[in-house]
Amino acid sequence: DAGITQSPRYKITETGRQVTLMCHQTWSHSYMFWYRQDLGHGLRLIYYSAAADITDKGEVPDGYVVSRSKTENFPLTLESATRSQTSVYFCASSKQGYEQYFGPGTRLTVT
Amino acid sequence: GENVEQHPSTLSVQEGDSAVIKCTYSDSASNYFPWYKQELGKRPQLIIDIRSNVGEKKDQRIAVTLNKTAKHFSLHITETQPEDSAVYFCAASPLNSGYSTLTFGKGTMLLVSP
Repeated sequence: DAGITQSPRYKITETGRQVTLMCHQTWSHSYMFWYRQDLGHGLRLIYYSAAADITDKGEVPDGYVVSRSKTENFPLTLESATRSQTSVYFCASSKQGYEQYFGPGTRLTVT
Repeated sequence: GENVEQHPSTLSVQEGDSAVIKCTYSDSASNYFPWYKQELGKRPQLIIDIRSNVGEKKDQRIAVTLNKTAKHFSLHITETQPEDSAVYFCAASPLNSGYSTLTFGKGTMLLVSP
């Protein structure tokens, strides 16, 4: 589990501010994913990446931007945070696109 | 896209009883079905998975069954223990362009009373 980390673990920000959530994995997994978890909605995919410089939208991409210049990092940016983006964000990685391993999560509050 | 329905949303059992959680999926192309357990405040962790060429898989007290014709799969936990209390998520994955994403059910909160 220590192979995938997220920072910060907790973040409070104001509406309209830009926020970047970091995800780093040491397994050299090709695939990385960002999910948000909200009560009553389970885990919903925001963006995913099959390799460096390859990203694609998931179920709920609006308001988010991702990049993947290095295999080990997959940052998620909220360009102008809104209260509806208050959530717990999980990063995950996968060697083959099947077994996904999750990071510890970032709890984001937008006031 | 894929849609995964999970039932029940909450399940309360007595220690030692069995628990069953059921999921249905919509995309017949899905061929991988993992189950994740998430304890309060923790990350989801894979507990068991099954692929479409297998009908049942067991790992100690947990088992998963798959019915591809009916498009449903189930998690079975026998001899439940208080430490089994958690939220359980099923997921389905259709193969697409060489890799796959997971679509999750909304989760089942399992409460095991001593």
